[in-house]
Amino acid sequence: EVQLVQSGAEVKKPGESLKISCKGSGYSFTSYWIGWVRQMPGKGLEWMGIIYPDDSDTRYRPSFQGQVTISADKSISTAYLQWSSLKASDTAMYYCARHRGDEPPRAFDYWGQGTLVTVSS
Amino acid sequence: QSALTQPRSVSGSPGQSVTISCTGTSSDVGGYNYVSWYQHHPGKAPKLMIYDVTERPSGVPDRFSGSKSGNTASLTISGLQAEDEADYYCCSYAGRYTGVFGTGTKVTVL
Repeated sequence: EVQLVQSGAEVKKPGESLKISCKGSGYSFTSYWIGWVRQMPGKGLEWMGIIYPDDSDTRYRPSFQGQVTISADKSISTAYLQWSSLKASDTAMYYCARHRGDEPPRAFDYWGQGTLVTVSS
Repeated sequence: QSALTQPRSVSGSPGQSVTISCTGTSSDVGGYNYVSWYQHHPGKAPKLMIYDVTERPSGVPDRFSGSKSGNTASLTISGLQAEDEADYYCCSYAGRYTGVFGTGTKVTVL
């Protein structure tokens, strides 16, 4: 059974750093692109970026380039989303999701349960 | 890359059909046959309902169907059921291995 299990909720202060995780199981982790999706409070889904764990090829939506870093450790089947200096506007639910396996990657077929990040002074 | 445009809400009675539109540009929806649709119940993970404009993943009822014309894609839910009440998002491939979601549509079953 394909599963993506995300790390737990985080409460941080502005300026702090953070790295959240997404562990895949039940499939060949290195063979599928993994993406991150943001949902700010009361708002819609936003496509942030994706990574191919086998070679760490990473692509970002322009509005997220330079704002976050997506990485992966294929030895432990885990993808990451990190911030070096959080802002209050980073408060959101973050989902990881696996692409179907087509080329180019174009549809997320399995999703994590979401990680709620709250940034507040 | 701006978000794709969807109506804020649509509604229908049980058994009726509703259609949700998703309008983009020639750089996303109109440029590729790679539109997907997701159902999102609050507090749960989104669920893939349609991919590649018209394809249904295994397990998705055939009441859900997709189409596309030009820069606008559509999701139709036929035989509306109470459990279909949720938020729905379209998503399109936008080139260079990136994607863009729609603004989201709340479906209400009257």
